[in-house]
Amino acid sequence: NAGVTQTPKFQVLKTGQSMTLQCAQDMNHEYMSWYRQDPGMGLRLIHYSVGAGITDQGEVPNGYNVSRSTTEDFPLRLLSAAPSQTSVYFCASSQDASYGYTFGSGTRLTVV
Amino acid sequence: SQQGEEDPQALSIQEGENATMNCSYKTSINNLQWYRQNSGRGLVHLILIRSNEREKHSGRLRVTLDTSKKSSSLLITASRAADTASYFCATDEGGSWGKLQFGAGTQVVVTP
Repeated sequence: NAGVTQTPKFQVLKTGQSMTLQCAQDMNHEYMSWYRQDPGMGLRLIHYSVGAGITDQGEVPNGYNVSRSTTEDFPLRLLSAAPSQTSVYFCASSQDASYGYTFGSGTRLTVV
Repeated sequence: SQQGEEDPQALSIQEGENATMNCSYKTSINNLQWYRQNSGRGLVHLILIRSNEREKHSGRLRVTLDTSKKSSSLLITASRAADTASYFCATDEGGSWGKLQFGAGTQVVVTP
């Protein structure tokens, strides 16, 4: 099934732990992005990429790293988890700026 | 800070009625997009309108864009219970391809 696949769907971390949220798409999309969504708020852009090897920061990049070594994958790394990073994380991809984005189903992360 | 702001924050209507929500944004844009999110799930792209377009239709959806006022509206005609969801506008900021930023959303409840 074509689409954006995020893993894991749920994760509990202890403060200070690191982890990588995985995102993969099989639509050959150039644009990929990571968002976080907190209760009652819209999505806030963490990092985005317009192609393999090209990444840039969004609104809330602190505490997160990304890389884009292939067109298909765009992992998000939490360096040292903090309770403030408890959120739902969404990955999205798009063919280019003329098209809408396809979203993954999200990863619900809790940091205790 | 978020680029777009939706108004109203919440909207409650009956089936068959029209629902209108507005989005204001701050900077120049390449395009403006509308998304729907059902509770706890990923976002679904509804419609994209380019900065040089003024109106666009898709089924029961009508989107307008006024770049002089930096605002857009989404009209859902003949609402159904299945339209119950949160609706978000998102802007692809001019000069920053791939940097799609969201507003806080309008929560729409359609009662039978």
